[in-house]
Amino acid sequence: AQSVTQLGSHVSVSEGALVLLRCNYSSSVPPYLFWYVQYPNQGLQLLLKYTSAATLVKGINGFEAEFKKSETSFHLTKPSAHMSDAAEYFCAVSEYGGSQGNLIFGKGTKLSVKP
Amino acid sequence: ETGVTQSPTHLIKTRGQQVTLRCSSQSGHNTVSWYQQALGQGPQFIFQYYREEENGRGNFPPRFSGLQFPNYSSELNVNALELDDSALYLCASSLGLAGVSGQETQYFGPGTRLLVL
Repeated sequence: AQSVTQLGSHVSVSEGALVLLRCNYSSSVPPYLFWYVQYPNQGLQLLLKYTSAATLVKGINGFEAEFKKSETSFHLTKPSAHMSDAAEYFCAVSEYGGSQGNLIFGKGTKLSVKP
Repeated sequence: ETGVTQSPTHLIKTRGQQVTLRCSSQSGHNTVSWYQQALGQGPQFIFQYYREEENGRGNFPPRFSGLQFPNYSSELNVNALELDDSALYLCASSLGLAGVSGQETQYFGPGTRLLVL
């Protein structure tokens, strides 16, 4: 069965500092992996996705993530945090070739950015 | 291009009542998925509809049911509401069967926040 684990329910960084949000997945087949962001009282917005092409994926708003099969990880990074990055971030996995289109989400990591 | 819209934005019901939530998919999308997001949790898959047929269901009881219409809009119905049904209900649309390739992007609406008292 597939699963996603996000390490750290809350991460706090200073403005301008590196953002690192951790995600580890479990899947018996090649996975597709996604990062979504959720601002307060809003739905989810796709940041980036990995679909078995390049292992380093660039997304919107300066975010990127690297797929590491050996570590079963898909950590999200941004070199320099902005105040506007404060939100909740969700990692999700989708099974390649599966008959259902459901995404399996982690519990989320809330990012706070200090001035 | 119109994004995914959901109605109502907020809803308060009492235990035992029934509720219907509505979703209009993004223009051109023929697949709709519904998710339940409890407070402090990630979204959990309820079910998916593709061209008016249910195409997969998560671990939710039969009192959660749905419909997809010819224009690909969708409804989520919940009967016999329980306190634990209080959550944000998210609808997501995609083009084609997301599960076949697994890579189709699902575009989410803003959600309906349901409170059951």
